[in-house]
Amino acid sequence: GNSVTQMEGPVTLSEEAFLTINCTYTATGYPSLFWYVQYPGEGLQLLLKATKADDKGSNKGFEATYRKETTSFHLEKGSVQVSDSAVYFCALTRGGADGLTFGKGTHLIIQP
Amino acid sequence: DAGVIQSPRHEVTEMGQEVTLRCKPISGHNSLFWYRQTMMRGLELLIYFNNNVPIDDSGMPEDRFSAKMPNASFSTLKIQPSEPRDSAVYFCASSSDRGFTGELFFGEGSRLTVL
Repeated sequence: GNSVTQMEGPVTLSEEAFLTINCTYTATGYPSLFWYVQYPGEGLQLLLKATKADDKGSNKGFEATYRKETTSFHLEKGSVQVSDSAVYFCALTRGGADGLTFGKGTHLIIQP
Repeated sequence: DAGVIQSPRHEVTEMGQEVTLRCKPISGHNSLFWYRQTMMRGLELLIYFNNNVPIDDSGMPEDRFSAKMPNASFSTLKIQPSEPRDSAVYFCASSSDRGFTGELFFGEGSRLTVL
């Protein structure tokens, strides 16, 4: 079956630091890959996505590249802000009735 | 535009009581998902509806849980009887159905505490 593995949190960084949150996946075929973000007290919202190998998704300064050879979709940001503090979820789907499979989430804390 | 609307936002109840959570998906969306989030288990898919029909309910923990979608604009998740281990945040999400592409729109969640 499908599965997503993320690095354990919490991840604590200082403002303006470089961020990497690792994500690897297991799936047959060619899944689409996603990063969702959950701010405190809110539901998840889509941050970025990539639908095929070597695609790069980007939004709000965050980027992730679909690496089929390493089955990875690591999230990066060059300079984080306190407002980026949230829980980040990596996810995948093969579409149709497959639904969306989430990782366990990584709690990011940015200190001023 | 209104997003996914869930109610109640918070519910505190005693063990053995019936709990009903409600969800109104985004208008025009015809896929609806119920998720449960806990610290221990993360985000778990409970059930998935497409065009008001349950497609996958393999995540429903046991017979105490039931979900319905009587029409395209309303769904309920019921727990009867409730137990302390059901304490969690329950999220409803919807999606437009043009071949599911993975973009879900989540409500703000219903935080359930069972004493």
